[in-house]
Parts: sequence; structure tokens; C-alpha cells
Amino acid sequence: DIVMTQTPLSLSVTPGQPASISCKSSQSLLHSDGKTYLYWYLQKPGQSPQRLIYEVSNRFSGVPDRFSGSGSGTDFTLKISRVEAEDVGVYYCMQSIQLPLTFGGGTKVEIK
Amino acid sequence: EVQLLESGGGLVQPGGSQRLSCAASGFTFSNYAMSWVRQAPGKGLEWVSAISGSGASTYYADSVKGRFTISRDNSKNTLYLQMNSLRAEDTAIYYCVKGSVYVYIDPWGQGTLVTVSS
Repeated sequence: DIVMTQTPLSLSVTPGQPASISCKSSQSLLHSDGKTYLYWYLQKPGQSPQRLIYEVSNRFSGVPDRFSGSGSGTDFTLKISRVEAEDVGVYYCMQSIQLPLTFGGGTKVEIK
Repeated sequence: EVQLLESGGGLVQPGGSQRLSCAASGFTFSNYAMSWVRQAPGKGLEWVSAISGSGASTYYADSVKGRFTISRDNSKNTLYLQMNSLRAEDTAIYYCVKGSVYVYIDPWGQGTLVTVSS
């Protein structure tokens, strides 16, 4: 199984300041088709997870451009350029290059 | 709009059984693999099982293999998860999600809570 390791466990951020979350996979998520199957989700308090980023760096429709994803192979990063109050919740990375699908442990983002 | 609506959760005794259902709408159900993902109280996300669009192929996490069975009825646009020999550690919100390997999984339903306790 591919192990997904997220850091930090939690972040407390002043509104308007940036935030960064790291996600490392135990195996490369680059497929022979050229795609890298790494995704980011946000679970807001009391809600189901919602999609943010697909294939490392592509924002889903409706996701604010303050969210950006980067990385390759086994090392990935989600950045929020200016954190807003509505960004609070737990962020998860996920790989779908092979079953079982696996998730990072989550990073809880709070507002100072 | 793609929608997934889970049902069937509740309180069940250890060793008991429960069947979850997920009603899908807004997309051609039979064209897509589907998955179940669970979240224990206060914990992270754990993939449980997946099924191909036709239903011919099924996949399970080691933690549920031999106890859970995923199935689908494409004529009813419904996904199922039959859970047998339930354990306390199966207590979780179970989410139905569209997708499996090589794609993103989305959307997520609202989830249905299964509590295994005596």
C-alpha cells in the first residue's frame, strides 16, 4: 500500500497570511500515462470532504485561485496564498494511482 | 447535478450485520466505478471498497475483506455495502463516492453513521 504522510498535523494562521501543507508518498504517483494521481480535499467542520486540486496542480471549477498545488513524484505541496476564515478545516491529500486508495492523515487549519 | 444519498446506517451490535445503500443521480451511473470511504469519529479518511461500473470487479481494504461486500444495481442507480461480522472498529461515517483508481473521487455524499456497540 502507498503511505501518504502529511505535515504539519495542524496550522494556526492569521487571516491574510500564507499557509503550506506538505504531502509525501511512499511510492511515485507518476503513471506511465504521464499523469500524477495526487489530489487534495478539504473537509470543513461538520461537512463531507470537498475537492480542491486534481493531478497535483489543477484547481477544480469554483476553487479560489489562492489555492495552488505543486510537486512531482513523491513530494507535493498545497499552498494557500492568503488564508481566509472560510478556509478552516482539515486538508487531506489522496493518491489514486493504485488500490487501495490512501489518504494523508490530514492537516487541520485554524484561524488565529 | 451529481448527487449521492446514503442510507442504512444505525446502531448495530458487535457481530451483527448492516446494509448501506447509496442512491445516485445526475450522471450515467453504470459508466462509473464507485467507492465507499469511511471516517471513524474524529479520525481521518479510509478507503473501504470499490466496484467497477459493470459490477464485475470488486476491491476491498484488507480491514474489511471477507466481511464486507460491495454491489450495485445499475437499473436502480444504487450502490450497496453489505457489512457482516461488524466490529467496534467499524464504527464510522460511511461515504459513498463516485470514482476509484485513476480518477478523483467526487462528489461525496453526506455520509451515513454506523455505530457498532452493545
